[in-house]
Formats: sequence, structure tokens, C-alpha cells
Amino acid sequence: KQEVTQIPAALSVPEGENLVLNCSFTDSAIYNLQWFRQDPGKGLTSLLLIQSSQREQTSGRLNASLDKSSGRSTLYIAASQPGDSATYLCAVGMGAGANSKLTFGKGITLSVRP
Amino acid sequence: GAGVSQTPSNKVTEKGKYVELRCDPISGHTALYWYRQSLGQGPEFLIYFQGTGAADDSGLPNDRFFAVRPEGSVSTLKIQRTERGDSAVYLCASSLSGTSDYEQYFGPGTRLTVT
Repeated sequence: KQEVTQIPAALSVPEGENLVLNCSFTDSAIYNLQWFRQDPGKGLTSLLLIQSSQREQTSGRLNASLDKSSGRSTLYIAASQPGDSATYLCAVGMGAGANSKLTFGKGITLSVRP
Repeated sequence: GAGVSQTPSNKVTEKGKYVELRCDPISGHTALYWYRQSLGQGPEFLIYFQGTGAADDSGLPNDRFFAVRPEGSVSTLKIQRTERGDSAVYLCASSLSGTSDYEQYFGPGTRLTVT
């Protein structure tokens, strides 16, 4: 059974700092990995999707990397801003059909202090 | 364009009552997923539809939970004889196709509170 772990559960950093959020998974036979942002009381916003054949994806100040063999992904946030404060979740998909459902970590709650 | 919408946004019900939660996916998305998120946890899979059929319902916790998607678009999650443990945020997601090639887009969720 696939398990996804995100440590630490919470992180507080000063504005302007570059930071890395970690995600690990137990079954390396993933098809893709997706990073989401969740604001309090809201749904999930997709940030980046990395296919298993890719090593990284970039969107603005965000960069996500994937190392399938070691079962790890990182989300790099450059020059953090208070508006980046939210919970960040990673989720893995295992393939097609029933395997396309996502298995989530518990998320990392990020607070960026002004 | 319009994203995934869910109604109601909040639902408070008494223990033992029946509730229905609705999801309107993005137009043209054939795959639809229901997840449940408890406080402090990541979303957990409930059921997946490809078109009108439930292709995987392995995440439904018991037979009080049932979901339909009769015309391959809107889906309704139905919970009978609600229990306090059913309190959670119920999230719906849709995807262009039922493979991991495509992103899943989530709705804002329905917060269910069973008193």
C-alpha cells in the first residue's frame, strides 16, 4: 500500500527566505506526483504535476523535483512571501483507471512571517 | 472557464439523518473522484467514476455511503444514517481522463458536520 509522508508538519520562515518542502513515498512505481496548495477552509489548488519520466517542473517561483528511485520529491519556493502561507500537500498517482486515484500526504503548513 | 463546483458549501445535520452532496465537474472531464478530508489529514480517496460507472469504490468506508453519476457529468454522494464520525470535508475532483497523465482539479469542498 502506498504511503506518502511529509515532514515537518509545520514550518515558519521569515519573508524572503528560499525554502524546500519534502515529500516521500514508499512505492516507487508511481505514475506521477502532484503538488497542491490549500488555504484554510478552502479546496486544493494544483501547483505542479510531474510525470514519472520527468525530473522537475517549474512554475514561477516554484520548482518541484522528483527522484522516483529514492521515493522523494521536493518543492522549492524561492523568495518566500507572506502570501505563500498555506498548507502544501503532495500526492501520487499510480497509473490509469482505478490507479489514477491520488494518495496524499498530510501536508506541511507553511507560515511566512513579514 | 468554470471550475469544479460543489454544493452545499456547508451542511449541518443530526445523527441518523440522510444527506446528499453534489459535485459539478469541469465540462468535458470524464473522470470524477470523491475524497474525504478530516481535520489535520490529507484527503483520502472514496470513489472514482469513469463516465457513468463507478470504476473503483474501494475507498467507501461502509454501505451507508453511495455515489452516482447517472449522465456522466454531475455526481451525488449520498450518506445514510449519518454518524458523528462522518464529519469531514468532502472534496470532489475531476480530470480530463482517468489516467495519471492529467491533473486532478478540485472543488472547494462540502464541510459536513453531524451533531
